[in-house]
Amino acid sequence: KNEVEQSPQNLTAQEGEFITINCSYSVGISALHWLQQHPGGGIVSLFMLSSGKKKHGRLIATINIQEKHSSLHITASHPRDSAVYICAVRSYNTDKLIFGTGTRLQVFP
Amino acid sequence: EPEVTQTPSHQVTQMGQEVILRCVPISNHLYFYWYRQILGQKVEFLVSFYNNEISEKSEIFDDQFSVERPDGSNFTLKIRSTKLEDSAMYFCASSEGVLMYTGELFFGEGSRLTVL
Repeated sequence: KNEVEQSPQNLTAQEGEFITINCSYSVGISALHWLQQHPGGGIVSLFMLSSGKKKHGRLIATINIQEKHSSLHITASHPRDSAVYICAVRSYNTDKLIFGTGTRLQVFP
Repeated sequence: EPEVTQTPSHQVTQMGQEVILRCVPISNHLYFYWYRQILGQKVEFLVSFYNNEISEKSEIFDDQFSVERPDGSNFTLKIRSTKLEDSAMYFCASSEGVLMYTGELFFGEGSRLTVL
């Protein structure tokens, strides 16, 4: 079983729709990261969080430590949001990130 | 905005050849990482580096791999004798620290390695 599971694996949306991507993990963590991978392969950090909620522009990330679950929301989605969104966790006493398999999002005009 | 830079962006090599992938982390960062992503698979941790030594490595990071910070700015990944299964995108990343306010990771654009 993967330590980090994401759902859905693939997601298509019409421009303007509200998007939710979910991440569940099975290990104790010190932090959870949401990352965006562009079609060309480059990875950009969106959020790093260990509790509560963070917001940046149209992106919102939430985490529930007790339930070992996090969500990434995109409000008013746009075609430029099309990318792979990856959840990754850092477990206690380790440097490494454990990555989920990613959610491929396509937003159509 | 400061960024992590990687070279080369793409390298093609013959099996058995040595490859060096180079990274220039953000200048005030102290923690450095290499990750790899085989085509169609998830990103995997290879190694972390702090205070001029490896702090953690994965089982993938065997004796064929080594890392070095030769001059205080570059951070290199060397694969001594490449195998077909080393074909992947290799990402360098750096962070200022590991705590909540310093642990944000900054990734380079990746170096695609193709082993023939």
